Amino acid sequence: EAQVTQNPRYLITVTGKKLTVTCSQNMNHEYMSWYRQDPGLGLRQIYYSMNVEVTDKGDVPEGYKVSRKEKRNFPLILESPSPNQTSLYFCASSPGQGVPNTEAFFGQGTRLTVV
Amino acid sequence: AQSVSQHNHHVILSEAASLELGCNYSYGGTVNLFWYVQYPGQHLQLLLKYFSGDPLVKGIKGFEAEFIKSKFSFNLRKPSVQWSDTAEYFCAVNARSSNTGKLIFGQGTTLQVKP
Repeated sequence: EAQVTQNPRYLITVTGKKLTVTCSQNMNHEYMSWYRQDPGLGLRQIYYSMNVEVTDKGDVPEGYKVSRKEKRNFPLILESPSPNQTSLYFCASSPGQGVPNTEAFFGQGTRLTVV
Repeated sequence: AQSVSQHNHHVILSEAASLELGCNYSYGGTVNLFWYVQYPGQHLQLLLKYFSGDPLVKGIKGFEAEFIKSKFSFNLRKPSVQWSDTAEYFCAVNARSSNTGKLIFGQGTTLQVKP
């Protein structure tokens, strides 16, 4: 089954404690992105990757890092989480430039609370 | 800069009522358009999409949307809603010229259907 898998689904952590949210897709997609969803703001892109070892900032990258060492994985790293990073996070993937007109596929979401 | 605006933030309807959710985007070039739905506690699922051709597109679960290029709009409609349509609905656009696959989301509309 084609899917985007995020882990964990729920996470409560303390300020300053480094954490990683994993994202994996099994569709051989080139594009992967991270979004955060906040009430009244919709989803905003944090970082994206166009392929292995190619990443770039989205609209709200501050406080986040990503890596793309393998095509299927795109982890989101919070080196020193702060309460304003409490949010619902979604990973998404899509095929890439070779398949221009297609939708993005989303993971189940990770609800992060930073206290 | 691209932006997406959803006019209704919270809509309450009774079952069998008709639904129309407004979506306008701001971008001068060619776009791909999407409506995603998020049922309580779940991830985003694609309702329908428009890339080209017939501006009236039909999606899953009886939803449809009409692309009106002159109005930069992509409104979502359903003739008769059901209690199970209670969810949050997001309009999103992707610039056809973009090589990042980035989606710009509206703020979301929460639909509550009363049985």
